[in-house]
Amino acid sequence: NAGVMQNPRHLVRRRGQEARLRCSPMKGHSHVYWYRQLPEEGLKFMVYLQKENIIDESGMPKERFSAEFPKEGPSILRIQQVVRGDSAAYFCASSRQGTNTGELFFGEGSRLTVL
Amino acid sequence: KQEVTQIPAALSVPEGENLVLNCSFTDSAIYNLQWFRQDPGKGLTSLLLIQSSQREQTSGRLNASLDKSSGRSTLYIAASQPGDSATYLCAVVTGTASKLTFGTGTRLQVTL
Repeated sequence: NAGVMQNPRHLVRRRGQEARLRCSPMKGHSHVYWYRQLPEEGLKFMVYLQKENIIDESGMPKERFSAEFPKEGPSILRIQQVVRGDSAAYFCASSRQGTNTGELFFGEGSRLTVL
Repeated sequence: KQEVTQIPAALSVPEGENLVLNCSFTDSAIYNLQWFRQDPGKGLTSLLLIQSSQREQTSGRLNASLDKSSGRSTLYIAASQPGDSATYLCAVVTGTASKLTFGTGTRLQVTL
């Protein structure tokens, strides 16, 4: 049973470009979460999605960031017009149930560097 | 607003020693608490999940306890090994929130 798969593992973008990060949850998991880990800081929640629905996006910056989890295919975290402050590790996690009862499993992360 | 604190921030112990990592949280209305391990440049590995109705969970050399009323959890590692060297994170789910609130972690080094 493959774990949570994220790609790319490393991504380099110049300021103003777009970054797209993909996440395939574990088999049988329909709940997906994105977290961001800034250098020397803890993980911060960004967004929680179930298939085709955004459940909680309270941690997402209001501009330039968007997330989706289509009926078919991986979840995508999209960052438009990237800035240096977006450089971070972006982690995806999935669970079979919501986090109120379910255990969360994390991917290896996508490390974004903005030049 | 939930805040999670982990003490100490860093810890170095010789191989074979038993050790305790501490986690405290300000809002005791949690659904569950989860301990993770993070190796440098890697993702998070789930170690133990404790539901709010439970007092402890055990997995191998690891034992996690939860005292919800006092807002504390401890992770006990028995007979530490160099392979245990990593950053240990605790995280809680609070109230009706669907998200984990993480502590900043304890960086553990087990020396030979």
